[in-house]
Amino acid sequence: NAGVMQNPRHLVRRRGQEARLRCSPMKGHSHVYWYRQLPEEGLKFMVYLQKENIIDESGMPKERFSAEFPKEGPSILRIQQVVRGDSAAYFCASSPLGEDTEAFFGQGTRLTVV
Amino acid sequence: QKEVEQDPGPLSVPEGAIVSLNCTYSNSAFQYFMWYRQYSRKGPELLMYTYSSGNKEDGRFTAQVDKSSKYISLFIRDSQPSDSATYLCAMGQAGTALIFGKGTTLSVSS
Repeated sequence: NAGVMQNPRHLVRRRGQEARLRCSPMKGHSHVYWYRQLPEEGLKFMVYLQKENIIDESGMPKERFSAEFPKEGPSILRIQQVVRGDSAAYFCASSPLGEDTEAFFGQGTRLTVV
Repeated sequence: QKEVEQDPGPLSVPEGAIVSLNCTYSNSAFQYFMWYRQYSRKGPELLMYTYSSGNKEDGRFTAQVDKSSKYISLFIRDSQPSDSATYLCAMGQAGTALIFGKGTTLSVSS
């Protein structure tokens, strides 16, 4: 049973470009959480999604960031017009029932904006 | 005051030592408490979770929660070099996302 798969593992973007981060949850998991980890900072919650629904996006910046979890395919975190401050590790976690206690994390995508 | 406070360390101990890692929190509504281990360049891995005050033991690891003091601890007995990692505390309540501490970096030397 494969774990949570995130790709790419590393992503380099120039300022102003778009970044797309993908997360395939564990088999049987229909709940996905996205977190951002800045250097010397803890994990910060961004958004919680179920299939085709955004449940909680209280941690998402109001502009340039969006997330989706379609009926088919991976969850996508999209950052438009990236800036240097977006450089961070982005982690996805999935759970079967929407309980954080059962969430398993992926290996993360390290975004570098140059 | 931040919701979750965790001393970032770094903490350096010799192999075999007992390690104590701690977090304090301010939100009395938190219902469950977790500890994650994160190796460099890897995703967080759940070590232990508990819903109530008291102790929970799993091998060399013991998690302790004191809700009255809003204080949680993770003890590692007989620490090994392979325990060298960053340890993150996290806590939450039903219907909301987990709140993480900043993490404590532990180094165990052989």
